[in-house]
Amino acid sequence: AQSVTQPDIHITVSEGASLELRCNYSYGATPYLFWYVQSPGQGLQLLLKYFSGDTLVQGIKGFEAEFKRSQSSFNLRKPSVHWSDAAEYFCAVGARGSTLGRLYFGRGTQLTVWP
Amino acid sequence: DAGVTQSPTHLIKTRGQQVTLRCSPKSGHDTVSWYQQALGQGPQFIFQYYEEEERQRGNFPDRFSGHQFPNYSSELNVNALLLGDSALYLCASSLKNSGYTFGSGTRLTVV
Repeated sequence: AQSVTQPDIHITVSEGASLELRCNYSYGATPYLFWYVQSPGQGLQLLLKYFSGDTLVQGIKGFEAEFKRSQSSFNLRKPSVHWSDAAEYFCAVGARGSTLGRLYFGRGTQLTVWP
Repeated sequence: DAGVTQSPTHLIKTRGQQVTLRCSPKSGHDTVSWYQQALGQGPQFIFQYYEEEERQRGNFPDRFSGHQFPNYSSELNVNALLLGDSALYLCASSLKNSGYTFGSGTRLTVV
């Protein structure tokens, strides 16, 4: 069965510190991989996605993620966190194909940034 | 260029009532998917519409139904509302495998 695990429900970091959010997935084959961010009461904004090619993916707002096939992981990183990064982060996977089908989401990681 | 537009933004319904939520996809997108996000949870896939047909469906009861119109806009209908249907309902549009664009959602409260 397909599933996404985000083992950290809540992470607190100081502004300027580095950040890594973990994501592990279970899927029949290498899926498409996504990271989304959600501010309170808002929809989801795409940070970055991995479809193929270079396993280190650059996204918006200075985020990057690395796909590691051997570990079934797609961890999100940022070298220096800003207070505006405080939000909820979701990892998601979807089946490969010519059209994008359903996504399976993790339960999210809430990020708090201390000034 | 407008993104995904959902209406209404909030609504309150009573148990047993029926509700219709609306979604206009991003310009150029032809596929619409609906997700339910309960408080503190990740979004759960309800169904996806393409060419006015339901193409995929998640593990939701038949009380949840949908429709896609020729202009690609979509509706989500929920009958016989339960307290547990209270959630943020997200609409996402896409074109082939370009990736999803999500709307801001409709917050449904069932009392």
